[in-house]
Amino acid sequence: DVKVTQSSRYLVKRTGEKVFLECVQDMDHENMFWYRQDPGLGLRLIYFSYDVKMKEKGDIPEGYSVSREKKERFSLILESASTNQTSMYLCASSEPGQGAREQYFGPGTRLTVT
Amino acid sequence: EDKVVQSPLSLVVHEGDTVTLNCSYEVTNFRSLLWYKQEKKAPTFLFMLTSSGIEKKSGRLSSILDKKELFSILNITATQTGDSAIYLCAVELNRDDKIIFGKGTRLHILP
Repeated sequence: DVKVTQSSRYLVKRTGEKVFLECVQDMDHENMFWYRQDPGLGLRLIYFSYDVKMKEKGDIPEGYSVSREKKERFSLILESASTNQTSMYLCASSEPGQGAREQYFGPGTRLTVT
Repeated sequence: EDKVVQSPLSLVVHEGDTVTLNCSYEVTNFRSLLWYKQEKKAPTFLFMLTSSGIEKKSGRLSSILDKKELFSILNITATQTGDSAIYLCAVELNRDDKIIFGKGTRLHILP
């Protein structure tokens, strides 16, 4: 079974802090994604990556950056955390290819910015 | 262990048919059930269900939740080729703020 892990289940950070959210998958998937989930808004794509050192902006990249130095690890960085970035962050991975591919989700990180 | 199970895993029908996708769950501290449609990259939000017996409807799509029997269905009537996608079901928990996703149903509509 594919396993996607996220470094923290809960994080509390102060406004202005730099925040790192880590995601690791163990199935050699090429595609990795970062989403945030907010009540009433569903999943929104922040960034995704199709390969090592490759990244593309999703729907809401402002205030975020990402890093993919190794295939299995995809990091989400909040350069200067703000209260409107309080959310549930979900990482996912999938196999490559055209069209929809099943995404495997991590357990989520609940980030609170105070 | 909390889990969300979707069935069928894969479904192929002809345009115009009606399909029913199933999602059953075994969780503690249920908060809500979510349905998503995933076509290329990111899943798009369809419905959020929190109460039993109240049908949510959007065009040809509808969904209902049964909290006693612990399942939800997503209906698509008069299917079109544009409905071809993976449909994801997820359950939000009150405890630990977890979200658990099912494996999805891959739906393919033949012209």
